[in-house]
Amino acid sequence: NAGVTQTPKFRVLKTGQSMTLLCAQDMNHEYMYWYRQDPGMGLRLIHYSVGEGTTAKGEVPDGYNVSRLKKQNFLLGLESAAPSQTSVYFCASSYRTGGPSFGPGTRLTVT
Amino acid sequence: QKEVEQDPGPLSVPEGAIVSLNCTYSNSAFQYFMWYRQYSRKGPELLMYTYSSGNKEDGRFTAQVDKSSKYISLFIRDSQPSDSATYLCAMSAWHSSASKIIFGSGTRLSIRP
Repeated sequence: NAGVTQTPKFRVLKTGQSMTLLCAQDMNHEYMYWYRQDPGMGLRLIHYSVGEGTTAKGEVPDGYNVSRLKKQNFLLGLESAAPSQTSVYFCASSYRTGGPSFGPGTRLTVT
Repeated sequence: QKEVEQDPGPLSVPEGAIVSLNCTYSNSAFQYFMWYRQYSRKGPELLMYTYSSGNKEDGRFTAQVDKSSKYISLFIRDSQPSDSATYLCAMSAWHSSASKIIFGSGTRLSIRP
């Protein structure tokens, strides 16, 4: 049981480049989330999904897109990276009730 | 004003001490309360999940909720150096609303051997 896994662990992008962060969970959770964590800001929700094929915007969705084609996977895309998107990105998943389980994070630097 | 306030610390205590970590909140609709532990460069790990007021104990950890004061606490007994981490509180008003979990910014805790 691997829990929540994220790929890649680290990435450096130049401004304007695009990339996709991959998240997978093997706990059969219905809900999946993407958060970003910045110093002093806590965890902020970017997008979330309450089931396969559904996605919704969170608190800070601008500049990001997501897709959930399979129940176990949740992808986060950056179409044109900006320095303000330098952050640590966490994927999480949960059942309909209970606290989310988090992945190990992806450290992204945009120069 | 933030919905959830948490003292960032750092909080440094000697090994074996009782640690008290706290959060205050402004939204009286919050009913579900969580505590996470986050080691440096790792993802948050769920420690406690509680509903409404009262206490919940799990080993050396006790979560306490005082809804009348809008105040929640996490107590760690017999603290160990391995408890050194950042502790995040989180809360929501509904048990099945994915978008409504609000996190505190975390308290950094250091346990001195």
